[in-house]
Amino acid sequence: EIVMTQSPATLSVSPGERATLSCRASQSVGSNLAWYQQKPGQAPRLLIYGASTRATAIPARFSGSGSGTEFTLTISSLQSEDFGLYYCQQYNNWWTFGQGTKVEIK
Amino acid sequence: QVQLVESGGGVVQPGRSLRLSCAASGFSFSSYPMHWVRQAPGKGLEWVAVISFDGSSQNYADSVKGRFTISRDNSKNTLYLQMNSLRAEDTAVHYCVREVAYGGSYFDFWGQGTPVTVAS
Repeated sequence: EIVMTQSPATLSVSPGERATLSCRASQSVGSNLAWYQQKPGQAPRLLIYGASTRATAIPARFSGSGSGTEFTLTISSLQSEDFGLYYCQQYNNWWTFGQGTKVEIK
Repeated sequence: QVQLVESGGGVVQPGRSLRLSCAASGFSFSSYPMHWVRQAPGKGLEWVAVISFDGSSQNYADSVKGRFTISRDNSKNTLYLQMNSLRAEDTAVHYCVREVAYGGSYFDFWGQGTPVTVAS
């Protein structure tokens, strides 16, 4: 099983600041990496697939990068609606998720 | 618009069974592989099972293999998860999830989930 490790567990950011979330895979997943956002009481929402392609209707302030085992999700200027949980997922070999990064208001 | 509506969750005793359903609408259900993903209280996401677009193949996480069965009825646009021999560790919100039809195998749409609680 490919283990996905996200860091940090919690990220405290002020509105308007940049947020950088990391995700590491225990073995190469190529570019088969997705990011999801989840708000309390809601289902996850697809943000990024193919490591760097924004999903439909996702604002340009969200960007993804990386390949192989190291990946990054960047939110260039945090808005109030961006606070919540973020999960990375590999889909190269079955499907596994990271444990999540909570983005909270500083 | 795409809709996935889960039902069938509830409170059940350990060792008993439960069947979840997911009613799909707003897209060509029979063209998409479908999954169940679960989330234990306060925990992360765990992939549970997948079924091919036509129902001909299924795969399961080791944690549920031999106990859970995923199936679909394309004539009814409905996905199912039969859960047998339930354990306390199966307590979670269970999400019905659509996999993209082509270009990868990530998940592009999620239902709102149905909660399952296994307790005596």
